This record gives sequence, structure tokens and C-alpha cells, in this order.
Amino acid sequence: AQSVTQPDIHITVSEGASLELRCNYSYGATPYLFWYVQSPGQGLQLLLKYFSGDTLVQGIKGFEAEFKRSQSSFNLRKPSVHWSDAAEYFCAVGLNSGYSTLTFGKGTMLLVSP
Amino acid sequence: GAVVSQHPSRVICKSGTSVKIECRSLDFQATTMFWYRQFPKQSLMLMATSNEGSKATYEQGVEKDKFLINHASLTLSTLTVTSAHPEDSSFYICSAISRGPKPEAFFGQGTRLTVV
Repeated sequence: AQSVTQPDIHITVSEGASLELRCNYSYGATPYLFWYVQSPGQGLQLLLKYFSGDTLVQGIKGFEAEFKRSQSSFNLRKPSVHWSDAAEYFCAVGLNSGYSTLTFGKGTMLLVSP
Repeated sequence: GAVVSQHPSRVICKSGTSVKIECRSLDFQATTMFWYRQFPKQSLMLMATSNEGSKATYEQGVEKDKFLINHASLTLSTLTVTSAHPEDSSFYICSAISRGPKPEAFFGQGTRLTVV
């Protein structure tokens, strides 16, 4: 079965600084990879996804992620963090594009300091 | 973008009672909806897959008689927690999958259930 590891439970970044959230997965074949953001008490919003093709994926709100097969990673990045980016971020891996087999990581809470 | 409305957003109920949570796709049809449970500081755990017009498929360890799922139309799925206990207190989230050649998953805002 597939698994997802987000090694950082929480990260604090200064506003305007760059951000990288780590995600590693375990799966035998090429997975479908997702990053979601969750604000307090809210559902999840898709930031970006990787199905195939270019390994550098652009998402909403200025986020991007890079799929590195050799490292089994799909790290999320943003060059300049805004205070409104403070939220919890979930990496997920799926076996197909139908969202029926999504496995989520435990999440990384992003705190943004002034 | 597409909107999924989940209602209620918060509910407090007494032990032994039942609670119904609704998940509606407001501007698209969803043949499939998923129900997740999220424990504090934990990830989302898939509880069941709800398919319109057929019985739900439950994940291992999820009691189908306790968590009743009904997907009566292409825009509505309901999760009923029956005979609720304090250990059922959790955050429940639904997602609805849009139809078409490139399906997308859209999540509801979640329901915070507290059983007292």
C-alpha cells in the first residue's frame, strides 16, 4: 500500500521569506501526487497536482511543487510567503486520477511570523 | 470553481442520539462522493465511498451500521452517525468528484461533531 510522509509537523517562516514543505511517498509505480491546503475549520483546497509530464508543477496562490522520482519526493515551494498562507498543508498520493485511493500525509502546519 | 456545501458545520449531540451530515455539490453533479474522518493533529482517513444509486463501500474497520451513508441523488450524499458515542467526536469531511473526462475532487468545509 502507498504511504505519505510529511516529516515536519509545523514550520515557522517569516513573511516574505521562501518556503519549502517536504513530502515523501512510498509506492511501487508512478503515483498521482497532490498538495492541499486547509484553513482552520475548513475543508481542503487543491493547490496543485502531478499526474504526468513536466515534473515541475505550478499551482494556485503562487505555489509550485517538483516531482523527483529518484528521491520519491514531491516538495511544495513558494518564493515569498504571505501571512494569509498560514494554514495546514497536506500532501496526498493516489493510485489513479479518480481520487478513490487518496492517502494523505499527517500534514504540516505553517506559521507565518511578521 | 465548483462548490461543495457541507451542513452542519458544527453539531453537538447527546450520547445515544443520531446525527445526519449533508454533503451537497452545488454547481456540478457527482456520481461519487467520499467521506473522511480527521482526528486532531492527524491526517484524513477515508471512511467510505458513496456512489449514487448504490450501496456505499466502507473501508476496513468502519462500521457500516454505525455510519449510514445515503447517496440519493447526483448532488447529495448524507452521513448519519447512529447511536453516537463520545469517541465518535471528530471532524468529518466529504469530497465530491466531478464527472467528465478529467474528474476533480472538491471538498466540503467539514463538520465538527461533538458527542457529550
